Amino acid sequence: DAGVIQSPRHEVTEMGQEVTLRCKPISGHDYLFWYRQTMMRGLELLIYFNNNVPIDDSGMPEDRFSAKMPNASFSTLKIQPSEPRDSAVYFCASSPSREQFFGPGTRLTVL
Amino acid sequence: QKEVEQNSGPLSVPEGAIASLNCTYSDRVSQSFFWYRQYSGKSPELIMSIYSNGDKEDGRFTAQLNKASQYVSLLIRDSQPSDSATYLCAVLERTARQLTFGSGTQLTVLP
Repeated sequence: DAGVIQSPRHEVTEMGQEVTLRCKPISGHDYLFWYRQTMMRGLELLIYFNNNVPIDDSGMPEDRFSAKMPNASFSTLKIQPSEPRDSAVYFCASSPSREQFFGPGTRLTVL
Repeated sequence: QKEVEQNSGPLSVPEGAIASLNCTYSDRVSQSFFWYRQYSGKSPELIMSIYSNGDKEDGRFTAQLNKASQYVSLLIRDSQPSDSATYLCAVLERTARQLTFGSGTQLTVLP
């Protein structure tokens, strides 16, 4: 299996622009998670899905953030408008049950 | 509020020594425990999971769980320079799917 796939791997954008991060989970995994990692705050859960349905989005920082999972093999995390404080590494992880497997991450820089 | 605490580090050990990483958690209903290894600039990689009290061994790695003391540890025997990384402890509740991560312990194995 190819593992969790994320794109792009790096994104540099200007404040106010829309950013879309993409994730393809491991086939057969029913759970999908979006995390954000910064030096100051560590690894934070933003939202997770079970069978394509959002279960807990309490970690989404603001209305500027939204996430969708239109099917079992694809999810997006959108930031609109982006701000410099959104700069971080965003990870997607998928899970068949308890163990979570992370993708390579997207390093986002908002100027 | 659920908390996962790790010894702050950084931790340095000589090559060939045993590295001991510790983690405590606050939520007594926690049922599943994980250790992730994260190399600089990379994503967290699952290296050990443990669900019941006692020891679990996998190669040079041993995870130890004591639910009464709310304590989980990771021992790395015959440490190698390639083990140098940040180790993240993560805890999963019985009825939830969200992992709570510790802040990580940075390990350096000196050749």
